[in-house]
Amino acid sequence: AQKVTQAQTEISVVEKEDVTLDCVYETRDTTYYLFWYKQPPSGELVFLIRRNSFDEQNEISGRYSWNFQKSTSSFNFTITASQVVDSAVYFCALSESVSGGGADGLTFGKGTHLIIQP
Amino acid sequence: GAVVSQHPSRVICKSGTSVKIECRSLDFQATTMFWYRQFPKQSLMLMATSNEGSKATYEQGVEKDKFLINHASLTLSTLTVTSAHPEDSSFYICSARVLAGTGELFFGEGSRLTVL
Repeated sequence: AQKVTQAQTEISVVEKEDVTLDCVYETRDTTYYLFWYKQPPSGELVFLIRRNSFDEQNEISGRYSWNFQKSTSSFNFTITASQVVDSAVYFCALSESVSGGGADGLTFGKGTHLIIQP
Repeated sequence: GAVVSQHPSRVICKSGTSVKIECRSLDFQATTMFWYRQFPKQSLMLMATSNEGSKATYEQGVEKDKFLINHASLTLSTLTVTSAHPEDSSFYICSARVLAGTGELFFGEGSRLTVL
């Protein structure tokens, strides 16, 4: 069975601070996908990143960076120089890979509510 | 980027009525669509996997007679909440997997159902 754990229910930091959101996953599959989504108060899910299990390279996209460590089954997300607009709930998710490529239905973590105070 | 549209975005209905939510992939074909439910301040839970031209696969604990899913074409899946009750009030989100290429997933904007 798959499982995603986001131990941090809520994080509150002051603007411009760096913040890391933790994600630990469990799966028996050797091929899988990991995702991060942002969910602002409006509700829609904003895709941030998808990473397959064979690609352990860390990724940086502007102020966002991700650290994928298979050895510890973690896929942590760091926001550098946080801004008020970063305030949202962030979900980490895991999916099996289906034949022919592509992700199956996602197993989501419980989410981390990030509050950036001005 | 690929767009998945859900309609309606918000719906309020009386207890006992049925509500249909549509999920459309606007610029790509999707053999597989997924339906999720999210209660307030909680995570998204996969309800069912919808495959074009075949019966949906429901997750454990999800009543198939309560949540009817139809995936009649490569661009449309519908979720019908039958005889809705207040406990069915939730945010329902669909996602669609691109048929070709890397099989990426795209999410709809979600539909907020309130049953009075």
